[in-house]
Amino acid sequence: ETGVTQTPRHLVMGMTNKKSLKCEQHLGHNAMYWYKQSAKKPLELMFVYNFKEQTENNSVPSRFSPECPNSSHLFLHLHTLQPEDSALYLCASSRVGTGISGANVLTFGAGSRLTVL
Amino acid sequence: AQSVTQLDSHVSVSEGTPVLLRCNYSSSYSPSLFWYVQHPNKGLQLLLKYTSAATLVKGINGFEAEFKKSETSFHLTKPSAHMSDAAEYFCVVSGGKSSGDKLTFGTGTRLAVRP
Repeated sequence: ETGVTQTPRHLVMGMTNKKSLKCEQHLGHNAMYWYKQSAKKPLELMFVYNFKEQTENNSVPSRFSPECPNSSHLFLHLHTLQPEDSALYLCASSRVGTGISGANVLTFGAGSRLTVL
Repeated sequence: AQSVTQLDSHVSVSEGTPVLLRCNYSSSYSPSLFWYVQHPNKGLQLLLKYTSAATLVKGINGFEAEFKKSETSFHLTKPSAHMSDAAEYFCVVSGGKSSGDKLTFGTGTRLAVRP
């Protein structure tokens, strides 16, 4: 248990469905992240929230909609996805401004495996 | 700009033999470097990090890595592989605050350990 919990662990959805991924961290961190992990590709950063404010949207299609109601919770709302969106979606958190030369150490959740049919 | 190259997509070793996972980086700034490990069906876990202190960094589970600026390398080693080391390993570079603390991940090296 890393202190970052993601639910559901597995999700199968059709292209017309609407679903959400949830992430919760119990580490007192102030930044949260969504990453997409596809086979044979580097991790792709999707969104970053610092103190609940979105600070990065890495050209992600609008069918992915993040929500960060507080520093401990992060959601990824999914609608009208495509089969190529099937991947492992990883949530991470960090304490921004650790004072160690900007070293941004991430703590990851176990991921939500998404399959789009 | 920054980038990271993991030179091997797959490495296979016998249990009890040394492990070497290679990583080269490119960064316009003084980089911070990390190795993360991902076991099957798990998220990524930090193994070790280099942040401009000692160039030889020791991590968890007997792993260590050496920062070599002249070679722009940060290879991960372990003297003796264990079956539980079988996983995927990611090298990560950060350019620090000058680059907005942006992390760039390598494509990963899958380590197999033979009995």
